[in-house]
Amino acid sequence: DVKVTQSSRYLVKRTGEKVFLECVQDMDHENMFWYRQDPGLGLRLIYFSYDVKMKEKGDIPEGYSVSREKKERFSLILESASTNQTSMYLCASSLPARSPNYEQYFGPGTRLTVT
Amino acid sequence: AQKITQTQPGMFVQEKEAVTLDCTYDTSDPSYGLFWYKQPSSGEMIFLIYQGSYDQQNATEGRYSLNFQKARKSANLVISASQLGDSAMYFCAMRERNAGNMLTFGGGTRLMVKP
Repeated sequence: DVKVTQSSRYLVKRTGEKVFLECVQDMDHENMFWYRQDPGLGLRLIYFSYDVKMKEKGDIPEGYSVSREKKERFSLILESASTNQTSMYLCASSLPARSPNYEQYFGPGTRLTVT
Repeated sequence: AQKITQTQPGMFVQEKEAVTLDCTYDTSDPSYGLFWYKQPSSGEMIFLIYQGSYDQQNATEGRYSLNFQKARKSANLVISASQLGDSAMYFCAMRERNAGNMLTFGGGTRLMVKP
């Protein structure tokens, strides 16, 4: 079974702090994704990566950056956390889009509160 | 314009009855795929079912079936014989060929199964 893990289930940070959210997958997937989930808005893509050191902006990249130094690990960085970044953050991984079994596999999520 | 619309923020269904969760989509790409995910209170997103735009038959997976009406651009999820464990958020998502690896999610529907 695919396993996607995230470093924390709950996190509380102060405004202005630098925040790192870590995600690890164990299925050798090329693609990894970071979403944020807010009530009524569904999941919105922040960044994704299709290979080591490769990244592309999603729909809402402002205020975030990412790092992918190893295939299995994809980090989301909040350079200077703000209260409007309080949200649930979900990491996902998948095979490439050309694969018939394309579904994305998700981690358990990190609920981040910025005070 | 919203690419994925789920018009039912919340729904109740009686245990053992069938329920339909609505999803409409908007795309001009002839090649696309539609996904349904379940998110229990634990937070993890669970892949349920997939329908490709060229698939001739509606997808089915156990108690889940997808009522795909291409001309109407709808991809409703039907859950037969509802169980208490079906209580969760349900998200519809779409991947367009031209969007490569990215999924676009709807706002979700919260399903509550009554005993």
